[in-house]
Amino acid sequence: GAVVSQHPSRVICKSGTSVKIECRSLDFQATTMFWYRQFPKQSLMLMATSNEGSKATYEQGVEKDKFLINHASLTLSTLTVTSAHPEDSSFYICSARHGGANEQFFGPGTRLTVL
Amino acid sequence: QKEVEQNSGPLSVPEGAIASLNCTYSDRGSQSFFWYRQYSGKSPELIMFIYSNGDKEDGRFTAQLNKASQYVSLLIRDSQPSDSATYLCAVERTYKYIFGTGTRLKVLA
Repeated sequence: GAVVSQHPSRVICKSGTSVKIECRSLDFQATTMFWYRQFPKQSLMLMATSNEGSKATYEQGVEKDKFLINHASLTLSTLTVTSAHPEDSSFYICSARHGGANEQFFGPGTRLTVL
Repeated sequence: QKEVEQNSGPLSVPEGAIASLNCTYSDRGSQSFFWYRQYSGKSPELIMFIYSNGDKEDGRFTAQLNKASQYVSLLIRDSQPSDSATYLCAVERTYKYIFGTGTRLKVLA
């Protein structure tokens, strides 16, 4: 149980384009989903927290107009990187948590490369 | 001061030995503490979590929490080469998770 999928696993795009990443909880209802970014040899940095049916809460320094998050259902959240630039190249990882549970479960991650 | 601090390592231990990984945190209001393992190029996977002072054991892993000292550790018994990875400590604070930078563990065959 507690499986989270992400799609795509890898994406290469040109500078200025937008990229959408999907995060799905496959066998549980995710009332909360988190989006993280990880640069090489660095730790996970929380970008935003999203609760189903409400607006995402962004961490300080994360541009909400650049990183659009939608949590439309209890099993799906999407992150759209708008007008991507090379500095947005990173490993994006989502995680999901059910209700009042302590633990979060991670998706496999999406490696974004912006040329 | 970082909210969650870990020694970056690498920590090298011989196969079969006990690996001891440490983590300190700054916010006394933190409630739950997590250990994740992350292999290179992969996302983290949960090893275990702890929220009460003392020890919690799960197989070869033991998490230890000391809230007075703001310290949490992970012991890995009978370390195997497959345990070689980066171990991330995370602290839950106000319903979100703050991660340390991780300790790289190398288990030498």
